[in-house]
Parts: sequence; structure tokens; C-alpha cells
Amino acid sequence: NAGVTQTPKFRVLKTGQSMTLLCAQDMNHEYMYWYRQDPGMGLRLIHYSVGEGTTAKGEVPDGYNVSRLKKQNFLLGLESAAPSQTSVYFCATNPGSGANVLTFGAGSRLTVL
Amino acid sequence: SQQGEEDPQALSIQEGENATMNCSYKTSINNLQWYRQNSGRGLVHLILIRSNEREKHSGRLRVTLDTSKKSSSLLITASRAADTASYFCATVFGRANWGYQKVTFGTGTKLQVIP
Repeated sequence: NAGVTQTPKFRVLKTGQSMTLLCAQDMNHEYMYWYRQDPGMGLRLIHYSVGEGTTAKGEVPDGYNVSRLKKQNFLLGLESAAPSQTSVYFCATNPGSGANVLTFGAGSRLTVL
Repeated sequence: SQQGEEDPQALSIQEGENATMNCSYKTSINNLQWYRQNSGRGLVHLILIRSNEREKHSGRLRVTLDTSKKSSSLLITASRAADTASYFCATVFGRANWGYQKVTFGTGTKLQVIP
């Protein structure tokens, strides 16, 4: 039982390149989230999904796109990476009932040069 | 923004001492949670306190909530070197049916426990 798995763990991009981060969960959770974590800023919500086929914007959605074609996967895309997107990205899930307790992945560290 | 603010930003104590971290938030909440993050890892849920509760215990953790002051505190008793980590409060607010509850995180308290 892996829980929440993020790939890749590390990536270096050049400005303007594109990439996709994958979040996979095996807990059958309805809700999935993408956060970014920057020093002194805490975690900020980028996009989230309340079920297969749905997505919604969070606090800082600009420059990112997401898709949830399958319940177990939530993809975060950067179409044209910018240095301001250098960050650590975390995926989180919750069951969709109860008190909104989140289960996090281990993170993906992205550097944009 | 609903984001909570933790205080202090950093805390260094000796093993065996108690550590207290505080969180303040801005508007009404459904519940407040505390998470722990070890260096280079994801966040792990520690404890949740609902808006109608004032105090909660879990092992060496004690959480209090004062909704009139919009603040919470996390107390770790008899700290250990292994408690060294960053601690975040998270506020859950909005309509209490799924799809409208939002979770926002504070900026964290970095705790160092010296052996």
C-alpha cells in the first residue's frame, strides 16, 4: 500500500520548457490537491479535484493546468516553465467524507533555470 | 486570505523540555489541524480539533482552541530529538458539505530539539 506517490521526485527545467507531475493514489480517495511550498510562504493551493473528471482552481493557479481523467491520478502540468515556478510541489488526498484530513505525497522538487 | 500564522517561526529547546507553538487565523473555521513535516518529506497529520472543542490530547500532544481569539496552540511535552521538524497548522472552513470546505496552511514553526 503506497498511499500517495509523486513522480518525478526531482526535475530541472529550462525556462519555457513544459513538464507534467504525476500524483497517483491507491486509497480510493475522492479529493486530490496540488500545493506548492516555498520558503516562508507555507503551502499554497494550486488546483484541486473533487472527483474523477473534475478540477477547480486554488489560490495560485496561474501558469499551471491539471487533469483528473482517472480517479487515482491527478496530473499537474506546466506548459511554459518560469523561474518563479521553482518550488517543491506536494500532492495530497482525502477521502471525501469526514473532517478533511489530508494525506500527502513525499514531494517533487522542481528547479526552473 | 484564510491562512493561519504560526508563532514562533523557529524554536530551539533541549530534549525533555516542552515545546509550544501557536497559530492564529482570520475567520470562522470548521476545524483546525496540525501537521508535521520532517526535512525533505511530505506533511503528516498529527491531530484535529473541531470548532466546538477546546482541548484535545493525543499521546504527548495537546492542542487547544480558542475560537473567540481565533487561535490555537500545540504543546509537545517531554520533547525528543526525533520531534525535530516543522509544524504547520491548517484551518478548514466553508460550507460543511464536500466541495466547499477549504484547507489552508500557515507558514510553519521550525522546531529543533537538542539532545
